[in-house]
Amino acid sequence: DVKVTQSSRYLVKRTGEKVFLECVQDMDHENMFWYRQDPGLGLRLIYFSYDVKMKEKGDIPEGYSVSREKKERFSLILESASTNQTSMYLCASSSGAGRTSTDTQYFGPGTRLTVL
Amino acid sequence: ILNVEQSPQSLHVQEGDSTNFTCSFPSSNFYALHWYRWETAKSPEALFVMTLNGDEKKKGRISATLNTKEGYSYLYIKGSQPEDSATYLCAFWTGGFKTIFGAGTRLFVKA
Repeated sequence: DVKVTQSSRYLVKRTGEKVFLECVQDMDHENMFWYRQDPGLGLRLIYFSYDVKMKEKGDIPEGYSVSREKKERFSLILESASTNQTSMYLCASSSGAGRTSTDTQYFGPGTRLTVL
Repeated sequence: ILNVEQSPQSLHVQEGDSTNFTCSFPSSNFYALHWYRWETAKSPEALFVMTLNGDEKKKGRISATLNTKEGYSYLYIKGSQPEDSATYLCAFWTGGFKTIFGAGTRLFVKA
């Protein structure tokens, strides 16, 4: 069974803290994604990676960075957390080159981050 | 700006009711539409991927249709059960690595 895991289900941090969200997939997928989900909005892409050490900005990269040192692991970093980064964060992975319309994304269960 | 709209935002039905909801997407440069089901406290799971105008897909009591010319897809659930309670997401694949997600339809099925 395909599995994507995220390091925490719930996280509470203070403004200004550095926050690491970890994601691990066990399917040997090339592509990994970080999204955030806010009420009334669709999932919005923060960053994605199509190979180890490769990354591309998504639609809302400001205030975030990512790291992909190993194929199975994709980390999202909030350098200095702010209250407007309170959200649900979802990691996903997919196989192939990501250029195929039928590539399904496999999601983790999400991390609900609260920044106080 | 590409936009994907889902309606209604939420839906309350009784067990046994059949229901349907809509996903609207840009009708030009269509590549693919994905449907996902997201149960509370679980990961979103893929239901269908639809690529051709007129596509119909079925999985148990859930089915979906696609009209790329007018830019919409319908998801139907026949004889809703409490375990169908979830948020249903549609996602429009834009080419490359990006997928535009709708905000979802939240379905509540009361026993």
